[in-house]
Amino acid sequence: GDSVTQMEGPVTLSEEAFLTINCTYTATGYPSLFWYVQYPGEGLQLLLKATKADDKGSNKGFEATYRKETTSFHLEKGSVQVSDSAVYFCAITANTGNQFYFGTGTSLTVIP
Amino acid sequence: DAGITQSPRYKITETGRQVTLMCHQTWSHSYMFWYRQDLGHGLRLIYYSAAADITDKGEVPDGYVVSRSKTENFPLTLESATRSQTSVYFCASSVSAGGQETQYFGPGTRLLVL
Repeated sequence: GDSVTQMEGPVTLSEEAFLTINCTYTATGYPSLFWYVQYPGEGLQLLLKATKADDKGSNKGFEATYRKETTSFHLEKGSVQVSDSAVYFCAITANTGNQFYFGTGTSLTVIP
Repeated sequence: DAGITQSPRYKITETGRQVTLMCHQTWSHSYMFWYRQDLGHGLRLIYYSAAADITDKGEVPDGYVVSRSKTENFPLTLESATRSQTSVYFCASSVSAGGQETQYFGPGTRLLVL
């Protein structure tokens, strides 16, 4: 079945460091790929998405590219800020389906 | 501007009791979802609904009941709560079921079953 494997955390970085959170997926067909972010005490918010191969999603300085050949959707940011401290979830959904499959989440803490 | 709300935000109950978690959305989205979030598992789908009076099971439906008599409401009931149902529960909604559709999440309900 469809599934998502996400880099385990927690991750601790200094402010202005480079961030990569790895995400790979297993799916039949051509899924859409998402990154959601969860700030402390809140629900999940969409960070970015990509719906076809080679698409790049971007938002708030974060980027991820849909790599069909490696079934990956790694999240990157060139210079993290303290306000980026949150839990990040990779997710996929089949183009004809209702169900999202989420990774286990990666906790990021950015220290000044 | 309410979006999607959940109540209560925090709930403590005892094993065997019935508990209902409420979810309300103001966007008139067709689809609504219930997830539970547990350490090491991420989010897992419990039930979803495509429209009023249409519901279907997700990955982990056992022990839960849902209903959707109105488009805007999607309550989740634990008929006889168990300790394994201690979790954070998130409600979500989306315009349609297409794979490209974004799901919008509520703030969550933290449930502790003693």
